[in-house]
Amino acid sequence: DVKVTQSSRYLVKRTGEKVFLECVQDMDHENMFWYRQDPGLGLRLIYFSYDVKMKEKGDIPEGYSVSREKKERFSLILESASTNQTSMYLCASRVGGNYEQYFGPGTRLTVT
Amino acid sequence: QKEVEQDPGPLSVPEGAIVSLNCTYSNSAFQYFMWYRQYSRKGPELLMYTYSSGNKEDGRFTAQVDKSSKYISLFIRDSQPSDSATYLCAMSAKNAGNMLTFGGGTRLMVKP
Repeated sequence: DVKVTQSSRYLVKRTGEKVFLECVQDMDHENMFWYRQDPGLGLRLIYFSYDVKMKEKGDIPEGYSVSREKKERFSLILESASTNQTSMYLCASRVGGNYEQYFGPGTRLTVT
Repeated sequence: QKEVEQDPGPLSVPEGAIVSLNCTYSNSAFQYFMWYRQYSRKGPELLMYTYSSGNKEDGRFTAQVDKSSKYISLFIRDSQPSDSATYLCAMSAKNAGNMLTFGGGTRLMVKP
């Protein structure tokens, strides 16, 4: 079974803090993704990575950056957290060439 | 207009009912179709994956794609309270690279 884990289930941060969200997959997948999920807006792609040290912007990259130093790990960074970044953050991975993605359990981030 | 439309529900049915969940889409290039199930406070899990038109069955679940109508469906037979979740459709075009386009999700409640 594919396993995607995220470092925290719940996180509370203050406005202006730098926030790191970690994601690890154990299936040697090439591609990894970060989404945010908000009521009424569904899943929106923030960034994805198709290989180590490679990244591409998704639909809503503003205010976020990512890091992929190892194949199994993909980090999402909020450089200066703001209240409008309060959301559920979902990491996903997939094998290159396939279309189905496998999701982690999510991190519910609250920025106060 | 969103590229993928999905009635948010909630859809409430009695245990044992046949459930029909649907998505419509506007992009005729979509060829890969997925259904995800998401329990409350969890990440989405892949339920069904189909390519192009036709039906696919897996236990109590049947996925149906009608490309001519740009309409996909997920049927759940003999629904159980454990099926209560949000169901997300997702789709991708052949040369869309890594991009999945998600519907907003339909919340299903199966009452004992």
